[in-house]
Formats: sequence, C-alpha cells, structure tokens
Amino acid sequence: RKEVEQDPGPFNVPEGATVAFNCTYSNSASQSFFWYRQDCRKEPKLLMSVYSSGNEDGRFTAQLNRASQYISLLIRDSKLSDSATYLCVVIRTGNQFYFGTGTSLTVIP
Amino acid sequence: DVKVTQSSRYLVKRTGEKVFLECVQDMDHENMFWYRQDPGLGLRLIYFSYDVKMKEKGDIPEGYSVSREKKERFSLILESASTNQTSMYLCASSDTSGSWQETQYFGPGTRLLVL
Repeated sequence: RKEVEQDPGPFNVPEGATVAFNCTYSNSASQSFFWYRQDCRKEPKLLMSVYSSGNEDGRFTAQLNRASQYISLLIRDSKLSDSATYLCVVIRTGNQFYFGTGTSLTVIP
Repeated sequence: DVKVTQSSRYLVKRTGEKVFLECVQDMDHENMFWYRQDPGLGLRLIYFSYDVKMKEKGDIPEGYSVSREKKERFSLILESASTNQTSMYLCASSDTSGSWQETQYFGPGTRLLVL
C-alpha cells in the first residue's frame, strides 16, 4: 500500500466553482502534513501547512482528519490561476517525506 | 527567501556517460534531497543527506550515487546513464532547527534526456 494516495484527477471546474481534493495516508505515525502546488514544468512550491484544527489562507482551506487518516484541500471561488497540480505531503519521523502523485486541476473560463 | 539552485535546467546525455547534477542551497539547511519525478509516479526519493558527508538511500537509489562535501552542495551522480534515467530531477532542502517537521524547498529541476 502506498504511503500517500491522491486521486490524480483531472478536475476540470468552471471559474468561481468550489473544488475539494482529498489525500489519504497509511501510517498513523505521520506527524506533519502539507499541500504543495506544482505548475506545469516547474518545481513544487509550498502552498500551506495542514494543522489538526484546520487552517485557512484566503480562498484555501486545509483540514486534517487523523482518525480517518486523510487531509483535504478546499479551494473556493476558483481562479484561472489556480490551474496546477496539487501534491499532498506527509512527514514521519527521521526526515521521512512522502509525496502523493498529485491531483491535476484545470479551471475553465 | 530560501534559494535552491540546480546547475542545469536541461541536459542531454548519451547512454553510458557519467552525469553530474549539482544542487546548491543558500539557507544553511542541514537536509538535502534528490528526487526524480515521472508522469504517473510522482516524486520518488533517490537519496538524501542530513549532514555533510552523510547520505542515506531513498526509495530508488540504484544507478545513482551522491556526494555532500559541503553543507550547501549536494551532487547527484549517474555513474553510467541509461535511457530509463530520462526524467525530471528535483533537488530540495529543509531545515531541522530542532524539529524534523520543517518543509522542503525545491530547486527548479533538471530535465535529463538520455539518448
């Protein structure tokens, strides 16, 4: 079983829509969680951390459900510029980073 | 701002050549990583280093070696390049600062084509 699993999509949504991605992780000892964004042919860049209490950054909301071992990313009022691949990252002890394969989002005018 | 640079954005090599990919970070980070990224497979860890002269194998170390002689520099070496090593190679660094929970910062990547 993979450490981290994501629905690869693609998600094609109209501008202004709300879209949500989920990511599940297999190891309950996982400690830290992040969402990265990767534009086409570019490197991944940190989008936001994910905290147990949930956190929001503008139109983006990230949540962690430890009981069910998944993290989610909600994007409200989608913009064309949100088109990218979104990677979830899970960290265990000892610098063990695990990346999901990414979910592709295209926002359509 | 953290800056991670990689020596080449694009590289074309022939089968059997020795290939060096260089990565430099300017934030005094202890940890450095080399990944390859392929469609449908995501990011796969090749090697990482948590200190100078220290290295640990990742998930797919076969056919690769690394060198970390200075804290800011982490090199990936393909001893004898093969066509299945055609990929996007990404270097990353992260800080420990007493906690292993710091996130990673990536370089722009090197697209390697092995003919």
